Amino acid sequence: AQSVTQLGSHVSVSEGALVLLRCNYSSSVPPYLFWYVQYPNQGLQLLLKYTTGATLVKGINGFEAEFKKSETSFHLTKPSAHMSDAAEYFCAVSDRNNDMRFGAGTRLTVKP
Amino acid sequence: EAGVAQSPRYKIIEKRQSVAFWCNPISGHATLYWYQQILGQGPKLLIQFQNNGVVDDSQLPKDRFSAERLKGVDSTLKIQPAKLEDSAVYLCASTSLGAVNYNEQFFGPGTRLTVL
Repeated sequence: AQSVTQLGSHVSVSEGALVLLRCNYSSSVPPYLFWYVQYPNQGLQLLLKYTTGATLVKGINGFEAEFKKSETSFHLTKPSAHMSDAAEYFCAVSDRNNDMRFGAGTRLTVKP
Repeated sequence: EAGVAQSPRYKIIEKRQSVAFWCNPISGHATLYWYQQILGQGPKLLIQFQNNGVVDDSQLPKDRFSAERLKGVDSTLKIQPAKLEDSAVYLCASTSLGAVNYNEQFFGPGTRLTVL
């Protein structure tokens, strides 16, 4: 079965600083990998996804993630944090049957 | 294009009562999911429909939870009777099988259930 581990339930950065949210996955088949963002009292919104092809994936709002098979990782980064980036971020892994498993989430706080 | 609609947005009930949630997926999306998101955790899949058939309900507590998608469009999730540990946000998501967005699930705003 697939699973995802997000390292760090809370991450705090200063505005303008680098954002790095860590995600490691476990999958017996080539995975599809996702990052979702959740703002308070809202559903999940897709930031980016990796299915096949280029391992560096660019998403919305300046976020990107790199699929590293050797490290079984899919870390999310953004060069410069903005106050509006404060939210909960979820990494997820899916197989070809759309069986998606989510990590526990990382709450990002951005300090002025 | 309209997104996934869910209602109600909030519900407060007492334990042992019944409750139902409604979801209308994005038009044309054949696959519909119900997730349970307990505070501080990631969403957990409860049930997956393909049109009006169940694909996966292995994590659905069938002694108290039920779900249906009779016409292959909107869906209802019911809890009867509710327990305190059912307090959570219930998320509905849908996806199409089109080549571009395959595997991308579109989520509704969720229903926040509080069981007292």
